[in-house]
Amino acid sequence: GAGVSQSPRYKVTKRGQDVTLRCDPISSHATLYWYQQALGQGPEFLTYFNYEAQPDKSGLPSDRFSAERPEGSISTLTIQRTEQRDSAMYRCASSPREGAGGELFFGEGSRLTVL
Amino acid sequence: QKEVEQNSGPLSVPEGAIASLNCTYSDRGSQSFFWYRQYSGKSPELIMSIYSNGDKEDGRFTAQLNKASQYVSLLIRDSQPSDSATYLCAVRTDSSYKLIFGSGTRLLVRP
Repeated sequence: GAGVSQSPRYKVTKRGQDVTLRCDPISSHATLYWYQQALGQGPEFLTYFNYEAQPDKSGLPSDRFSAERPEGSISTLTIQRTEQRDSAMYRCASSPREGAGGELFFGEGSRLTVL
Repeated sequence: QKEVEQNSGPLSVPEGAIASLNCTYSDRGSQSFFWYRQYSGKSPELIMSIYSNGDKEDGRFTAQLNKASQYVSLLIRDSQPSDSATYLCAVRTDSSYKLIFGSGTRLLVRP
């Protein structure tokens, strides 16, 4: 696609429910990143993919968080048993290739609110 | 200690002045440094990258890097109200391709 597309843009859920966020990167981009951004803070790294491989998931806060990119294109971020502290903007970004100059193209984000 | 540190601001400058934004990082293995701009309610966008010590200029923007001091800065000349945004410093080591962001400095340019 022309840009990075994320869905849903807004998600409100109750504590304890599972949520899945979706990212459709720029079609030619090999690398895909997930970040969590709290209000007034910078993006916090969660994980990244190079095609379908997931070389680094060191930023995932707990085992409730997982991400997939099974065919090397669309990715999902799943949060199980959501907690209120999971409320944040979740941003997906893509890059043409691994290590490509640090230029990440961000989507508009998915704002998650856990009640 | 956070890996990438920035003063949260706000930094307020008059229109036409030079805005100076600073960033320090903790990992001496860091090799690549970036400045992103984020307007309120929007996503970050890359404005500058720098890889070697010294200055790099692009239009009204100059990035400065001092690896010995683990310090990166961004200068914005002839600041405009449209430059009002949060500026995020980002750092990458070559051992991993993850990009680590600072918490950002909010810049306000007064007309």
